[in-house]
Amino acid sequence: DAKTTQPTSMDCAEGRAANLPCNHSTISGNEYVYWYRQIHSQGPQYIIHGLKNNETNEMASLIITEDRKSSTLILPHATLRDTAVYYCIVHTNAGKSTFGDGTTLTVKP
Amino acid sequence: GEEVAQTPKHLVRGEGQKAKLYCAPIKGHSYVFWYQQVLKNEFKFLISFQNENVFDETGMPKERFSAKCLPNSPCSLEIQATKLEDSAVYFCASSQKKGAYTEAFFGQGTRLTVV
Repeated sequence: DAKTTQPTSMDCAEGRAANLPCNHSTISGNEYVYWYRQIHSQGPQYIIHGLKNNETNEMASLIITEDRKSSTLILPHATLRDTAVYYCIVHTNAGKSTFGDGTTLTVKP
Repeated sequence: GEEVAQTPKHLVRGEGQKAKLYCAPIKGHSYVFWYQQVLKNEFKFLISFQNENVFDETGMPKERFSAKCLPNSPCSLEIQATKLEDSAVYFCASSQKKGAYTEAFFGQGTRLTVV
């Protein structure tokens, strides 16, 4: 599985968009980009995933660059409850997810 | 069920004792994964199952750790002769399909403390 690089931490003001970047320069053609988050010590929660097109769901948007070497998770209107560790994962159909260190997002009032 | 159920929530064992953790995947999900989170933010993949068959066990320590997923029973992860370094939160996840095409749903974890 490709390695991902994320900033260690980020802050965001409540109500503003949170843009979380991820580098995955060694991604290969059949690997998807997945985002999960972990709030406190709960189990990771799925957010969104994509292959090469931008994706949007009720939680977030995922922007993948044309060369697929990086992506950005966008939380359009961050709330205090979005404070969590966000993990960017790249993996194939092999089954397992290889988690990196993640980004600790702190949403501030 | 509609969520992955892990039991117990907390488990305390003395060094050398056995620990057994359970995971009931979401009904209809064919794949089960076990992860170990020792330090904050550090997840380690242990093993995955496709139904009752081991799919990928590349992360399992060869000694002391074993896992099963038997029909009509919760999956289990067993640690024989626990060591202090086994203290961690163990997460189970399940998915309908393997890997790239579908998300995994995680349980709330079992916190194992070895004293």
